[in-house]
Amino acid sequence: GQQLNQSPQSMFIQEGEDVSMNCTSSSIFNTWLWYKQEPGEGPVLLIALYKAGELTSNGRLTAQFGITRKDSFLNISASIPSDVGIYFCAGTGNQFYFGTGTSLTVIP
Amino acid sequence: SQTIHQWPATLVQPVGSPLSLECTVEGTSNPNLYWYRQAAGRGLQLLFYSVGIGQISSEVPQNLSASRPQDRQFILSSKKLLLSDSGFYLCAWSVSRVAQPQHFGDGTRLSIL
Repeated sequence: GQQLNQSPQSMFIQEGEDVSMNCTSSSIFNTWLWYKQEPGEGPVLLIALYKAGELTSNGRLTAQFGITRKDSFLNISASIPSDVGIYFCAGTGNQFYFGTGTSLTVIP
Repeated sequence: SQTIHQWPATLVQPVGSPLSLECTVEGTSNPNLYWYRQAAGRGLQLLFYSVGIGQISSEVPQNLSASRPQDRQFILSSKKLLLSDSGFYLCAWSVSRVAQPQHFGDGTRLSIL
């Protein structure tokens, strides 16, 4: 099925730096979701966005539902080693679509 | 609160052997249920989804099948495994309304020898 375009594919950053990743689609979505997956585990829901323009925070994580309803971004402030993992965006219209993932490595 | 359980966590099977992976959800009724496969830690491919008992939709043609014998039980099966069936299999659930978040189990790592 369709997958969302997520960028960057991978990031290598120093501990303490801020992180930004985004997700775009050619289709309008009603919901944007951000998940984190650690090795050997299933994705865990971090933030859910239900309204265009919505900005939501979860601790050091902030995500926004783009005004056009075709994009979303996730920011992580002051990264720490336990932020390591693969971050997936997901969007729902009449179906559920996953992004291709951003692999984050935090160097202590 | 709702929980989802998948087992086994890891499985090593020979080519040509059968497969049965089980997923159960607790704390909710009439969930939508999903089976995904993930290769090399990236990209989730939807294999099957179910909106009710006995109702299975297949997203891609393959060597696998799914069944939902009970409201909160979802089973992934194969009669004869292929090498290409190796991967990380994830079960997920969502409330039975459109555009609701999916929640995932911890996955099964399947290796075919």
